[in-house]
Amino acid sequence: EDQVTQSPEALRLQEGESSSLNCSYTVSGLRGLFWYRQDPGKGPEFLFTLYSAGEEKEKERLKATLTKKESFLHITAPKPEDSATYLCAVQGPSNTGKLIFGQGTTLQVKP
Amino acid sequence: ETGVTQTPRHLVMGMTNKKSLKCEQHLGHNAMYWYKQSAKKPLELMFVYSLEERVENNSVPSRFSPECPNSSHLFLHLHTLQPEDSALYLCASSHINRGLNSPLHFGNGTRLTVT
Repeated sequence: EDQVTQSPEALRLQEGESSSLNCSYTVSGLRGLFWYRQDPGKGPEFLFTLYSAGEEKEKERLKATLTKKESFLHITAPKPEDSATYLCAVQGPSNTGKLIFGQGTTLQVKP
Repeated sequence: ETGVTQTPRHLVMGMTNKKSLKCEQHLGHNAMYWYKQSAKKPLELMFVYSLEERVENNSVPSRFSPECPNSSHLFLHLHTLQPEDSALYLCASSHINRGLNSPLHFGNGTRLTVT
């Protein structure tokens, strides 16, 4: 069964304190791994797609990496506005395009 | 216009009511989705429509009835719901080409409370 597990469940950082979020996955035939950001009261907002092991993508203070079993979202020198819930999702071999999501990591960055 | 618009934003309904959630996408996508988001749980896929045909029904109770009249509109009809159905209902759209999915674009959801 396809499965996505994110850790930690919650993370508190001081402004400027770099850290990483983990997304472990089990899927038969990965077609893509997606990272989203979700703010309270809003829908998830797309950040990155990774397709193959070794791939990396960056956007401002965020960098996503992918191996055959997990993905990391590295946050460098975070700011309070980076506070949000970060969701990881995988697309398996299904042709319907459905995504399987993890439960998310809630990040709080204190000034 | 935002990419994916959901109405209403909030809905309170009794267990015997009938209501509908509406979703509209302005992105030219060919697939639309309903997800349920409950506290402390991963997003749960409910339905997938590709080119207006339902291609996925994830063991959802019959009290939830989806409708996709065209590629830009998606509805979720609700009747005789239970209190445990209270959640945030998210609509999303994407473009599927040869089985590969573009990133899903989500609306801001309908917060449903069943009393």
